Amino acid sequence: EVQLVESGGGLVQPGGSLRLSCAASGFTFSSYWMSWVRQAPGKGLEWVANIKQDGSEKYYVDSVKGRFTISRDNAKNSLYLQMNSLRAEDTAVYYCARRRNWGSVDYFDYWGQGTLVTVSS
Amino acid sequence: QSVLTQPPSASGTPGQRVTISCSGSSSNIGSNTVNWYQQLPGTAPKLLIYRNNQRPSGVPDRFSGSKSGTSASLAISGLQSEDEADYYCAAWDDSLNGYVFGTGTKVTVL
Repeated sequence: EVQLVESGGGLVQPGGSLRLSCAASGFTFSSYWMSWVRQAPGKGLEWVANIKQDGSEKYYVDSVKGRFTISRDNAKNSLYLQMNSLRAEDTAVYYCARRRNWGSVDYFDYWGQGTLVTVSS
Repeated sequence: QSVLTQPPSASGTPGQRVTISCSGSSSNIGSNTVNWYQQLPGTAPKLLIYRNNQRPSGVPDRFSGSKSGTSASLAISGLQSEDEADYYCAAWDDSLNGYVFGTGTKVTVL
């Protein structure tokens, strides 16, 4: 059974940093692109970042470029999101998701339960 | 900001058919396949439809998807109370070089 379990969320002051983790199990982690998606309270879904199987390619939504870094450790079956210079508008539930993509096809087939990040003084 | 537009709400009585639209552009829906996600209250999103009209294992055939040009739609036939949820369309956007979600539609079973 595929499982994705996020951790690391919490309350942080504006300008602060936080590192999210996602522990994957039930599939060959190193064979899949992985992603982070977030959802602000009462709002819709927003894609945040993607990372290729070997970590050689990374993509980000414009609003987090230069502040967030996605990474992975295939030996530990883990995905990470380092978030720096946090702003109030980064407050959201952050979901880890497994990405399936080829040609014009792109979707997230499994999602974690999410971890809440609150940026406030 | 969402680049795919959905109606904010839709509703129906049990057994009815409900349709949700998703409007995009040539750089997203017009060029790539569309997916739909269901988010039940207080839970994580779940893949409902992928590649325009494919259902993952375990998704009832009451749910169906279609795409035409730069628009897509999700249909729920035989609406059930457990279908009350938020529904999001999504696709890759070639211009933004990123994945975009729709604005979301809240389905209410009357």
